[in-house]
Amino acid sequence: ETGVTQTPRHLVMGMTNKKSLKCEQHLGHNAMYWYKQSAKKPLELMFVYNFKEQTENNSVPSRFSPECPNSSHLFLHLHTLQPEDSALYLCASSQTTEREQFFGPGTRLTVL
Amino acid sequence: QQQVKQSPQSLIVQKGGIPIINCAYENTAFDYFPWYQQFPGKGPALLIAIRPDVSEKKEGRFTISFNKSAKQFSLHIMDSQPGDSATYFCAASRGAQKLVFGQGTRLTINP
Repeated sequence: ETGVTQTPRHLVMGMTNKKSLKCEQHLGHNAMYWYKQSAKKPLELMFVYNFKEQTENNSVPSRFSPECPNSSHLFLHLHTLQPEDSALYLCASSQTTEREQFFGPGTRLTVL
Repeated sequence: QQQVKQSPQSLIVQKGGIPIINCAYENTAFDYFPWYQQFPGKGPALLIAIRPDVSEKKEGRFTISFNKSAKQFSLHIMDSQPGDSATYFCAASRGAQKLVFGQGTRLTINP
């Protein structure tokens, strides 16, 4: 395993629900990332955190709200999602933003 | 300019063959070119990466060839095995932070 864990692994939610995805890294890294992986589309970078500070928001809709309480944990809070938001959400971490990224297994999200 | 174009979308090779996956980029500021391997139900795992100061890098059976003037790079897998069947992604970035990924290639190695 890569040292990056994600929970839950699968999530089904309605459009009016509020849920959160959790990512934890056990590698002592300082940078963490959220990606979206949809069928037939490239992996899309959503957010970057470096030393708990958000350094990148790749024009992500406000219904996705990230939170990074410390360098080991990263959350993605979800509310009023759309069916087109159904995808695999991947978390990654790196020692610094200049070093290679290690990915977690992802959360498979289905929005009904 | 931020796109990385990857081809082919899918590839089937017999065991022992040499699959080749190609990527092209536009942004000349990119200076880091990794390849990731992803098995079903898993996240992408870094396979091999290259910087533009070299034209080739080998790690085991995996080789990256890099052509700076053509803005292209490719992955070669020597003596391919059924266990290499996976989806492969190329990526590019300036530094290693904002990776821009290709569309992915689903590789199948037949026994």
